[in-house]
Amino acid sequence: QVQLVESGGGLVRPGGSLRLSCAASGFSIGHYFMSWIRQTPGKGLEWISYINNRGSVVYYTDSVKGRFTISRDNAKNSLFLQMSGLRPEDTAVYFCASQRKSPDAFDIWGQGTMVTVVS
Amino acid sequence: QSVLTQPPSASGTPGQRVTISCSGSSSNIGDNTVNWYQQLPGTAPKLLIYSNNQRPSGVPDRFSGSKSGTSASLAISGLQSEDEADYYCAAWDDSLNDGYVFGPGTKVTVL
Repeated sequence: QVQLVESGGGLVRPGGSLRLSCAASGFSIGHYFMSWIRQTPGKGLEWISYINNRGSVVYYTDSVKGRFTISRDNAKNSLFLQMSGLRPEDTAVYFCASQRKSPDAFDIWGQGTMVTVVS
Repeated sequence: QSVLTQPPSASGTPGQRVTISCSGSSSNIGDNTVNWYQQLPGTAPKLLIYSNNQRPSGVPDRFSGSKSGTSASLAISGLQSEDEADYYCAAWDDSLNDGYVFGPGTKVTVL
């Protein structure tokens, strides 16, 4: 069964750090671009970052540049998001997604992991 | 404020056709392909249409997408109760700050 499973979310104070993980099964992520996308409770979707298949090209949305780092371990079939300098506005459900159909289409999504930044 | 514009809501009775618009600019829809996602309550989004008008396997042919210039649309024919969900358009944006952009979403209600 093709699926992505996120983990690592939780409650953190402003300025704190968290590392999110995304484990893939049923397919090898090594061939595909991967992204992180977040959704504020009750609000819409916001793309955060993507990484190409070899990890040599990364992009970030402006609001997380310099604070978040995306990485991948193709051998472990996993994607990561290191988040530091967390702010209350980073509170959201974080999804990882694969881009197998085309480089700009998120075809498989995980179930999401909740990150809450509160003092 | 989203770079892409969608109506906040749309509705129809079972069997009707509903169309959702997505308006952008030359840096996103005008230059790149459009994808559509369906999000049922309490679940992760699901890819509904990619590359403007392609359906992934398993997506009913009641769903169709199109693009013209800097606008795109999603049509749902033969509306069913299980189509009640939020629908988001998305595209890559080639502006100063490269990245994927999502529309704000359209809530479809089946009356």
